[in-house]
Amino acid sequence: AQSVTQPDIHITVSEGASLELRCNYSYGATPYLFWYVQSPGQGLQLLLKYFSGDTLVQGIKGFEAEFKRSQSSFNLRKPSVHWSDAAEYFCAVGVYTNAGKSTFGDGTTLTVKP
Amino acid sequence: SQTIHQWPATLVQPVGSPLSLECTVEGTSNPNLYWYRQAAGRGLQLLFYSVGIGQISSEVPQNLSASRPQDRQFILSSKKLLLSDSGFYLCAWNQGAEAFFGQGTRLTVV
Repeated sequence: AQSVTQPDIHITVSEGASLELRCNYSYGATPYLFWYVQSPGQGLQLLLKYFSGDTLVQGIKGFEAEFKRSQSSFNLRKPSVHWSDAAEYFCAVGVYTNAGKSTFGDGTTLTVKP
Repeated sequence: SQTIHQWPATLVQPVGSPLSLECTVEGTSNPNLYWYRQAAGRGLQLLFYSVGIGQISSEVPQNLSASRPQDRQFILSSKKLLLSDSGFYLCAWNQGAEAFFGQGTRLTVV
């Protein structure tokens, strides 16, 4: 069975600073990896996804993530954080089998200081 | 394009009252459907999933039930709510390996 670990429960960065959110996964095959963002009281919005090919993927809102198979990681990055990026971020592994049940990390809450 | 609708957005219910949350998907057929619960400050817990009409699988034992009376309709129910049922409920559907989420329902049991 797959699993996802987001080691950082809460991260605080200053506006304009760079950001990296960590995600480690465990899966027996090539994973399909996702990052979602959730604003308070809202559903989850897809930021970016990795299925195959280039290991550096670009997403919406200036985010990118890099798949590193050797480290079983899929870290999310942004070069310059905006106050509107404050939200909760979830990393997930998706599968085609097993009724397509995705496995989510516990999330990282991002606070942005002015 | 596909869309997912979930309602109501917020709900305050007394302990012991029934519950019905509805989710519908448009623009696709025979989707896999899911109900998740998110407790305050916590991650997503998968409650139920369905791969077809009338097919419901429960992931955790609880006070809730789910039904899928139509291909693109997924309902979360309870006969008698408990305080511990409070939380944020999310409906989702799946295309390939990617999940798409509704806007959620904030349920407060008082």
